[in-house]
Amino acid sequence: DTAVSQTPKYLVTQMGNDKSIKCEQNLGHDTMYWYKQDSKKFLKIMFSYNNKELIINETVPNRFSPKSPDKAHLNLHINSLELGDSAVYFCASSQGWEGRGEQYFGPGTRLTVT
Amino acid sequence: KNQVEQSPQSLIILEGKNCTLQCNYTVSPFSNLRWYKQDTGRGPVSLTIMTFSENTKSNGRYTATLDADTKQSSLHITASQLSDSASYICVVTTPTNAGKSTFGDGTTLTVKP
Repeated sequence: DTAVSQTPKYLVTQMGNDKSIKCEQNLGHDTMYWYKQDSKKFLKIMFSYNNKELIINETVPNRFSPKSPDKAHLNLHINSLELGDSAVYFCASSQGWEGRGEQYFGPGTRLTVT
Repeated sequence: KNQVEQSPQSLIILEGKNCTLQCNYTVSPFSNLRWYKQDTGRGPVSLTIMTFSENTKSNGRYTATLDADTKQSSLHITASQLSDSASYICVVTTPTNAGKSTFGDGTTLTVKP
């Protein structure tokens, strides 16, 4: 069974559209994250959710909004997509907040904005 | 500003050879340091996690060292295999600010037959 899964794996869309990426973990972890990896392969954290509370929010445009319906899911909504949003987005989970517990990453969602 | 710098940026070695990747950091205070392996098109996978009091930790052919005094870590790969070709990312976490992590830019390792 996949520990951390993301859908879709690939997403191609036009500028200005609104899209969502879904993430689910079956590890029973209490903390989930979203990361952005750009074309230079730099990984940057976007959001962390611990017990349905946002605990870290980096300087991310408010067009990005995480939504956690329950402890096992953390979805990423993106409004008014821009060319610069093209990247690979990774979901991850851990037990305990960032750095305290080992993080498990999903396979990534490659977003291409045209 | 807290930083994590990795070197070299990229490295090519022959199968069977050993190599060492470096990670220098200025993050303070320090909670732990992690090394991740990221295969092309996949998510990062944790190799080792070390706290302040740990000097070395092994995971199969991977051995990480930590010198908290000089704020340096290394990842040594023994008897490299083609499957070791990947990006290796060093991540340092502080105990403050809900455990904020700083990521290095990674070292891309290519193992050739």
